[in-house]
Amino acid sequence: DAGVTQSPTHLIKTRGQQVTLRCSPISGHKSVSWYQQVLGQGPQFIFQYYEKEERGRGNFPDRFSARQFPNYSSELNVNALLLGDSALYLCASSAAGGSPYNEQFFGPGTRLTVL
Amino acid sequence: EDKVVQSPLSLVVHEGDTVTLNCSYEVTNFRSLLWYKQEKKAPTFLFMLTSSGIEKKSGRLSSILDKKELFSILNITATQTGDSAIYLCAVSSNTGKLIFGQGTTLQVKP
Repeated sequence: DAGVTQSPTHLIKTRGQQVTLRCSPISGHKSVSWYQQVLGQGPQFIFQYYEKEERGRGNFPDRFSARQFPNYSSELNVNALLLGDSALYLCASSAAGGSPYNEQFFGPGTRLTVL
Repeated sequence: EDKVVQSPLSLVVHEGDTVTLNCSYEVTNFRSLLWYKQEKKAPTFLFMLTSSGIEKKSGRLSSILDKKELFSILNITATQTGDSAIYLCAVSSNTGKLIFGQGTTLQVKP
């Protein structure tokens, strides 16, 4: 069975540009969450989606947006990139959204570098 | 503000040693605590703990939760070089979002 997949694996952008990151959850999972992990720190929660609806949002500016598609895959968009947006972006899937008792399984991440 | 704190931040041991990693938390609406191992990119799931005092084991790894004192420990016995990684502790609140600690970097030397 395929795990969580993310694309691209690496990305280099310049300040002010826009980026779209993609995630496909484990088959049968309906919830996708996005996390940002800056070097040397633990992941920080950005968004959670379940059944195409936003279920939670972390302390990130409006430059960050996301959506979930009918097949439960998800995209994370970041506009007007800043140097501080350079990080590993992780996607996690779980069987149900909003339940704290479902394990979240992580994809390999997208390494974004903003120059 | 919800907070998860791990200690130590880094640790260097030799193969065969036993290590204990700590995780304390202050999270409203606590529901579960999870441990992950992160080697290169994707954190891989180790344990989920919801009840106090019940030890979970997987091979040489074990973990326990104390909901009264608000902490958890992760033990690794007979460490191997393959255990070298960042160990992340995360707490799930009632919404299901994970609040992570900063991680403990473990290096196991041959």
